Amino acid sequence: DIQMTQSPSSLSASVGDRVTITCRASQSISSYLNWFQQKPGRAPKVLIYAASNLKSGVPSRFSGSGSGTDFTLTISSLQPEDFATYFCQQSFSTPLSFGQGTKLEIK
Amino acid sequence: VQLAESGGGVVQPGRSLRLSCAASGFIFSSYGMHWVRQAPGKGLEWVALIWDTGVNKYYADSVKGRFTISRDNSKNTLYLQMSSLRAEDSAVYFCARDTECTSTNCYMPEYWGHGTLVTVSS
Repeated sequence: DIQMTQSPSSLSASVGDRVTITCRASQSISSYLNWFQQKPGRAPKVLIYAASNLKSGVPSRFSGSGSGTDFTLTISSLQPEDFATYFCQQSFSTPLSFGQGTKLEIK
Repeated sequence: VQLAESGGGVVQPGRSLRLSCAASGFIFSSYGMHWVRQAPGKGLEWVALIWDTGVNKYYADSVKGRFTISRDNSKNTLYLQMSSLRAEDSAVYFCARDTECTSTNCYMPEYWGHGTLVTVSS
């Protein structure tokens, strides 16, 4: 089974900051890596699919990169609505798996 | 795309419960479907996936042998039959529609319902 490890687990940042979250897979997953955003009490939403593809309607300040085992989600300039929890998910093989999440908080 | 889960509630350890997910706004029989759960204050845990035809099913190790995913394409409904429930199965259970599969992307829960809460407690 593939384990997904995110870092950091939590992060404090200010509006306008550039933020990077990393996700590491326990084995190569090519580009089968997706990023989700979740706000309290809400269902997750897809931000990035296949490592670097921005889902339609998602602001361009979000970007993803990486392949193999190491991936990053970058928010170029934090906006107030971006404070949320972010999860990566590998879609390379079953059982599918998520990272443990990164909680992004306001500094 | 609309997904509406139901069937959650409080259940004693060792008992069974069946969750349902009513789907609308898309051709249900053309998409794989997932169950994903989230324990209170915790992260997301993928639970199960069923192909569009219902032929292939996949499970997390934590639920294999206890949970069964199924679907009724004539009713546009997804199910999760949960048996031998444990306290650690307590969570909000989300159903989600898989993405439009391509050669570079599949098995991504793209559209999600609001979830239904399952509490396993005596």
